[in-house]
This record gives sequence, C-alpha cells and structure tokens, in this order.
Amino acid sequence: DTAVSQTPKYLVTQMGNDKSIKCEQNLGHDTMYWYKQDSKKFLKIMFSYNNKELIINETVPNRFSPKSPDKAHLNLHINSLELGDSAVYFCASSHGASAMQFFGPGTRLTVL
Amino acid sequence: DQQVKQNSPSLSVQEGRISILNCDYTNSMFDYFLWYKKYPAEGPTFLISISSIKDKNEDGRFTVFLNKSAKHLSLHIVPSQPGDSAVYFCAASGGSGSEKLVFGKGTKLTVNP
Repeated sequence: DTAVSQTPKYLVTQMGNDKSIKCEQNLGHDTMYWYKQDSKKFLKIMFSYNNKELIINETVPNRFSPKSPDKAHLNLHINSLELGDSAVYFCASSHGASAMQFFGPGTRLTVL
Repeated sequence: DQQVKQNSPSLSVQEGRISILNCDYTNSMFDYFLWYKKYPAEGPTFLISISSIKDKNEDGRFTVFLNKSAKHLSLHIVPSQPGDSAVYFCAASGGSGSEKLVFGKGTKLTVNP
C-alpha cells in the first residue's frame, strides 16, 4: 500500500526524445508536487498542483509540462530531452498547501 | 543563491553518542522549518519540524533547535543508532506560498556500531 508511487523508477533515453513520468498518491491529498534533484544534490521544486490547478510554476523550461487528470495523479511530460535533464525527479503530495509533504521513491532519468 | 545551507556534507558518529546536524538560512521570511531523512533509492521522509514561534521541538530521540536571530537550526539525535544512517535534508518554507519547500544540499550521517 504505497502512499506515493512513481513509474518508472529508472528511465534511460536518447537526447531529443519525449518521455513521461507518472505519479499517483493514495493518501487523499489534494496538492501534488514535482521536484528535481540535480547532480549537485539540490532538491528544487518545479511545479505544484492543488485540486488539479497549477499553483506553483518555477522557472522551468516549457519542454516540461505537468498534467493532473485528477487529484490523485500528477504526471510529468518532457519534450525534446536534453543532457541537462538527467536527474532524479521526485513527486510529492500534501494535504492542502502544506510544507509537510510525502515523497515518492523518485525516478532516475538519464539522457544519453 | 542558496537560501538554505547545510555546510557539512557528511558526519560520522559512534552508536549511542549524539549526532548534531546544522542548517543555516538567509531568508527572514521563512517561518517553518523541517528535517527530512532520505535512504538511498528512496524518497525523503518527514522527520520533525518547528515553527518560528518556537525555539525547540522534541520527538523521541530527535530534537530540533531554532535560533532565529542567528538564522540557524540544528537537529540533535540522541542516542544515535546505526539505522539513523541516512542523508538528512533541512528544508524551510514561508512567505509567499507556504507549501514551497526550499531544501539544503543534505548531510550524510553515518552511525558506526
């Protein structure tokens, strides 16, 4: 009974490809997030959705497009992948706009 | 521009002793601070938090201290156990958009048996 799950766990792809990462939470939370942990180990917020509406959109290239089909899902689609997109991507959720967030296990994306 | 800094990338302590992990922040708008613990190949898990109206919060073996004037917080683990070995992230939120967490780079704690 995983609280926040992400698929796939590992993703290896070529530059220029388009890929998606899926996230699902079964905690009944209404706010979901995407974070990126880069090679320098910084965890930085990318997007936040509350009740399927975008509430945080950091300075992220528009090649990244989050999609929230319902409150329990927040997917991340990345177009025209670049080498610099290689990172670990974490999905998280919370009840309302809360700093107490529950994280998924991460998706390690490697762009060759 | 690192708003949350963890200047020690690693810390090694003996089992049973105290572990002290430090964190500094620069943004005076932060009003809520959290520590997350992360094992390899897993996501961060919430450990303990503190509001800026307090200077101490305790939960079992874990205590977080906040010094607002110095913009400094620390996590104390007493006694340290081998299972505490993990990366500890300090995070802060507040100001506009309280759900936006700003993380430090993390400190890798190793507790030796």
